[in-house]
Amino acid sequence: ETGVTQTPRHLVMGMTNKKSLKCEQHLGHNAMYWYKQSAKKPLELMFVYNFKEQTENNSVPSRFSPECPNSSHLFLHLHTLQPEDSALYLCASSPWTSGGAGNEQFFGPGTRLTVL
Amino acid sequence: QKEVEQDPGPLSVPEGAIVSLNCTYSNSAFQYFMWYRQYSRKGPELLMYTYSSGNKEDGRFTAQVDKSSKYISLFIRDSQPSDSATYLCAMSGSAGGTSYGKLTFGQGTILTVHP
Repeated sequence: ETGVTQTPRHLVMGMTNKKSLKCEQHLGHNAMYWYKQSAKKPLELMFVYNFKEQTENNSVPSRFSPECPNSSHLFLHLHTLQPEDSALYLCASSPWTSGGAGNEQFFGPGTRLTVL
Repeated sequence: QKEVEQDPGPLSVPEGAIVSLNCTYSNSAFQYFMWYRQYSRKGPELLMYTYSSGNKEDGRFTAQVDKSSKYISLFIRDSQPSDSATYLCAMSGSAGGTSYGKLTFGQGTILTVHP
C-alpha cells in the first residue's frame, strides 16, 4: 500500500449504530487530519493530530470521536449520527516541520457515509 | 463573508483552451497557498504549492498569488480532457501561527474540458 488509505470506502448506517472509519498513511508523516466534505460546501477541517496528540478540534459534535494510536493510523468513531452527517469523510497526512511542510497535506480517497 | 471565495462554476472549455481559476480571500494572515485537483470519487490531490506572493510554474500549470489584492489564480495551458475535475484552492497561515497547518478551502470549481 502506498500513500493514504481509508476503509471502508462506503458506509451506510442507521442513527443508532456505532461504526468506525480507519485511515492509514504510508508516507512517514507525523500529522494526520480528518475533514468533512459535503455537497456544495468547502472541505471542513474536523480534527488535527500531531505526533499522536490532538492539536485541533474544530467544534465537532461529540458524536464524532477521533483516535490516533500512532503516527500512521487514525480512526473516527461514529455513534448516534444524524442524517445531516452524511458526507465524504477524508483523511490526510503531512510532515510537521518548519518551513511550511505542514501545509503539504496528502489525502486519502475518503469514506462516503450515508446516515439513514 | 466567507474567508475564501471561489466561483463554483461549472466551467466548460474546449480542448486546448487556456483555463483561469481564481480565489479571493479575506484573511491577511494567509501565507501559504495551494491548489488541489479532485477527480470524481477520489480524494484531493496536491497540484501546486506556493508561499507568499509571486508565480510558480509546473508544466502546463501556473499558480499566481497577489497578496496585495488577496487574490490567487491557477492557469492551465493547452487544457486536456484529463484535466476535467474539481479544482480547490486552499490556504493557511505562517509557521507558528494559529492557523498553520489548518487549511481553509474554497468551495471548488468544477471544470470540464471537452474534446
